[in-house]
Amino acid sequence: DQQVKQNSPSLSVQEGRISILNCDYTNSMFDYFLWYKKYPAEGPTFLISISSIKDKNEDGRFTVFLNKSAKHLSLHIVPSQPGDSAVYFCAAIYGGSQGNLIFGKGTKLSVKP
Amino acid sequence: GAGVSQSPSNKVTEKGKDVELRCDPISGHTALYWYRQSLGQGLEFLIYFQGNSAPDKSGLPSDRFSAERTGGSVSTLTIQRTQQEDSAVYLCASSLNRGSVGETQYFGPGTRLLVL
Repeated sequence: DQQVKQNSPSLSVQEGRISILNCDYTNSMFDYFLWYKKYPAEGPTFLISISSIKDKNEDGRFTVFLNKSAKHLSLHIVPSQPGDSAVYFCAAIYGGSQGNLIFGKGTKLSVKP
Repeated sequence: GAGVSQSPSNKVTEKGKDVELRCDPISGHTALYWYRQSLGQGLEFLIYFQGNSAPDKSGLPSDRFSAERTGGSVSTLTIQRTQQEDSAVYLCASSLNRGSVGETQYFGPGTRLLVL
């Protein structure tokens, strides 16, 4: 049973507009969430994270929102740029674990010029 | 090197053969993880090494999979008697230390394994 779910396999957005990528989780023990970005033939690269004690974290064009009651988080990219086109993975971790990340299946974002 | 490196980048093998995948973590990183990504799936945790401690093998899918880490640095993931369902991208990641939750893991480019 998937603990981290990204229900949209793909998303297409116009350059300059906002991209919103969604992620849902089932394990209430998760206390840290991360977003990774992956280009083809490359490994995932860390993008932004949020602790479960916060509801928002912002880094430049990227903002992650966490709604613990709904077990939902989202990544906002604004303004979107063609270079943002990649697969975005949502990942979660809980403090009692060995540190391994639990990933969603990813959402492929296409930003069109 | 500056990042995590993995070799080979691609591997095609016949069903039943053994394969070895190598990972060179970032120098000084004590934590090392192996994940795999099957087609259409997210990354699946396989095994974790932290310093000289016994590895966490809880994610290994079968006893055909094993991994070792020599000298606290380079790691090798071995798959014996490969099966077609082993076809996936195998990713290695390292982090500085498992001192805090959510510490950034840095990934290598992966090894694409195809079992015919």
